[in-house]
Amino acid sequence: NAGVTQTPKFRVLKTGQSMTLLCAQDMNHEYMYWYRQDPGMGLRLIHYSVGEGTTAKGEVPDGYNVSRLKKQNFLLGLESAAPSQTSVYFCASSSYSSGDGYTFGSGTRLTVV
Amino acid sequence: QQPVQSPQAVILREGEDAVINCSSSKALYSVHWYRQKHGEAPVFLMILLKGGEQKGHEKISASFNEKKQQSSLYLTASQLSYSGTYFCGTGLTGTASKLTFGTGTRLQVTL
Repeated sequence: NAGVTQTPKFRVLKTGQSMTLLCAQDMNHEYMYWYRQDPGMGLRLIHYSVGEGTTAKGEVPDGYNVSRLKKQNFLLGLESAAPSQTSVYFCASSSYSSGDGYTFGSGTRLTVV
Repeated sequence: QQPVQSPQAVILREGEDAVINCSSSKALYSVHWYRQKHGEAPVFLMILLKGGEQKGHEKISASFNEKKQQSSLYLTASQLSYSGTYFCGTGLTGTASKLTFGTGTRLQVTL
């Protein structure tokens, strides 16, 4: 019963490099989300998906792209990393009919130097 | 626009009570509450839907005042394990709509 799994857990990038963060859930949830968490700013929504093949922008989408080719996976890409993207990234999933709230992954700590 | 949480931080002795508030300028459909311990992921506590529903979970309960677009989280007889940062997340449509989170309330419970 893994829930939501994020990989990698830690990563250091140089400015301009690219990378992909992977989120996988085994709860058959329809909705998936990517948030970033910065000190004093809470969790801010980057992109989200309401189903396989669909994605939408959140509050802070610039510099990120996402894809949801399979229902259980939600990928977050950084094409050209910038120091401002240094953050902790959380993936979450939920069921559209659920009163159980979001289930979060354990997070990815990304540092861009 | 993020919901506003108050207070920003609170220190309690074990056994004391606390109230954390979450206010929004928008008409809400739902309010979620989460607790996050240092270095860990947020964990879901409860969801409240419009209609002024009050819910409880062990010694933690919450209310939602639809007229004021305000929710309050009540922690009764606090335990050391209650320490962490509490976030409210507000949704505008549906139980699973995308959430906008507040900046959090840091709660520390001491002996």
